[in-house]
Order: sequence, then structure tokens, then C-alpha cells
Amino acid sequence: AQSVTQLDSQVPVFEEAPVELRCNYSSSVSVYLFWYVQYPNQGLQLLLKYLSGSTLVKGINGFEAEFNKSQTSFHLRKPSVHISDTAEYFCAASSSGAGSYQLTFGKGTKLSVIP
Amino acid sequence: EADIYQTPRYLVIGTGKKITLECSQTMGHDKMYWYQQDPGMELHLIHYSYGVNSTEKGDLSSESTVSRIRTEHFPLTLESARPSHTSQYLCASSDLAGATTQYFGPGTRLLVL
Repeated sequence: AQSVTQLDSQVPVFEEAPVELRCNYSSSVSVYLFWYVQYPNQGLQLLLKYLSGSTLVKGINGFEAEFNKSQTSFHLRKPSVHISDTAEYFCAASSSGAGSYQLTFGKGTKLSVIP
Repeated sequence: EADIYQTPRYLVIGTGKKITLECSQTMGHDKMYWYQQDPGMELHLIHYSYGVNSTEKGDLSSESTVSRIRTEHFPLTLESARPSHTSQYLCASSDLAGATTQYFGPGTRLLVL
């Protein structure tokens, strides 16, 4: 079964500083990777996804992530964060097979942007 | 505008009551899902559906039940609520094609006293 590990439960960062949120997944022949963001009292919103092709994926709100097969990682980055980026971020993975592309989520990383 | 809706957003209820959490989507998606989310924990899939009259249990065992009589509607029912059911419940939908994006509703926060 697929597993997803988000290495940091909380990440504080100053406004306009860069940030990296780390995500590792268990190895799979075909894996599809997602980052979702959850603002307070809201559902999850897709930031970006990797299905195939270029390993650098660009998403909304200036975020990007890099798929690294050898390190089984899919870290999320932003070069300069804003106060409005304060939210919880979830990494998720799915694969074909018995699970029929079901999503497996990490435990989430709370990003706090400090003014 | 295509969207996914959940009602109620917040619910406080006593032990033993029957509750139904509503989820509707206007995107014409065949697949729908229910997740349970506790603070600091990953989302756990409790039910999913491939289409009308199709329902399956997810990875996390749950005492809740679901039904799918209409494509756009996927309600979740607890026959007898208990404090252990206190959690946030998120509904999502997607189309049938492979590794596709899931679209989430705003969630229902349930507190059982």
C-alpha cells in the first residue's frame, strides 16, 4: 500500500522568505503525486499535481514542486511567501492497481507566515 | 458555477441521535468520496462510489453508511451518533479517468456530546 510522509508538522517562515515543505512517498511503479492546500474552515484545494513528463511542476499561487524518483520525494517550494499563504498543506499520492487511484494523504504541514 | 457543497457546515448533537451529512456536486462527476479528518492527522477515506448504486468502504473502518441514488448526491448517515464520531468529514468528487484531481467540499465539523 502507498504511504506518504510529510517530514515537518509545522513550518514557521517570515514573510517574503522562501519555503520548502517536504514530502516523501513509498516507492511504486507508477505513482501520481498531488499537493493540496487547506485554509481555515475550508475544504482542500489542489495546488499542483505530477502525473508524468517534466519533473518540475508549477501550480497556483506561485508554488512549484519537483518530482525526484531516486529519492522518492515531491517537495513543495515557493521563493517568496505571503501572509495569505498561511494554511495547512497536504501531500497525497495515488497509484494504479487494486487501489484504483485512491489518494493516500500525508499528515499535513502547517505553514505559518510571520509578518 | 460547478461546485461541491456540504451541509451542515457545523453540527453539535447528542449521543444516540441519527444524523445525515449531505454532499452534492454540480460537476457531473461519477466518483464521489467521504474522508474523515482529525486535527494533525491525515485524511482517511471511509467511503467511495463509482456511480449510481455503487458504494464501497474505504481504508478506515467506519460505522457510517452511504447511498448513491443520484449522480450528484452522496449522503453519509450515522444511525446512532457517539462521541467517538466527533471529527471533520470531507466530501470530494472526481471524474472516472485514472489519476484525476479530486475536488473537495468545505467539510462538516461534527461534535457529538
